[in-house]
Amino acid sequence: DIQLTQTPSSLSASVGDRVIITCRASQYIITFVNWYQQKPGKAPKLLISGASSLQSGVPSRFSGSGSGTDFTLTINSLQPEDFATYYCQQSYSFPRVTFGPGTKVDIK
Amino acid sequence: EVQLVESGGGLVQPGGSLRLSCVASGFPFSSYSMSWVRQAPGKGLEWVSYITTTGSTVYYTDSVKGRFTISRDDAKNSLFLQMNSLRAEDTAVYFCAKLGTTVTSGIGPWGQGTLVSVSS
Repeated sequence: DIQLTQTPSSLSASVGDRVIITCRASQYIITFVNWYQQKPGKAPKLLISGASSLQSGVPSRFSGSGSGTDFTLTINSLQPEDFATYYCQQSYSFPRVTFGPGTKVDIK
Repeated sequence: EVQLVESGGGLVQPGGSLRLSCVASGFPFSSYSMSWVRQAPGKGLEWVSYITTTGSTVYYTDSVKGRFTISRDDAKNSLFLQMNSLRAEDTAVYFCAKLGTTVTSGIGPWGQGTLVSVSS
């Protein structure tokens, strides 16, 4: 199975900060990484697919990059509504996809 | 607007069964593969099962193989998950989710989830 690790597991940030979350895969997965945002008690929401393609309706302050085994999700100018948990997910072994353990972003 | 509404969760004893349903609207259900993903309380996301558009091909995560069965009824825009021989470790919120048209499309939208609790 392809394992994903995320760093950090949690972080505290202020409104306006730039936040960078990293996701590392246990093997080469090209750009088959997606990113999700989940708020407490809610379903996950797809933010970015294919490592860098922003989904329709997702603010442009979100961006993704990377290829191979290392990927990043960047949130520029963090907004109050961005406080949530973020998950990466690999689709290289589709349909047997796996998710990273998550990164919780809370208010400093 | 795409909507996915799950139902069928509840409290069940170990060894018991439950059947989850997911009713879809706002998109041509029969044209999309679907998945179930679960989330144990306070934990991360775990893919559970996948079904193709025709229902002819299905996949399961190893821990539920032989116990869970995914199916669909395109006439009713519905996805199902029959869960038998339930264990405490199956306790989770179960989400149904629409898959994209390509492998790189990602998973979404998701339903709101239905909670399955396995306990004596």
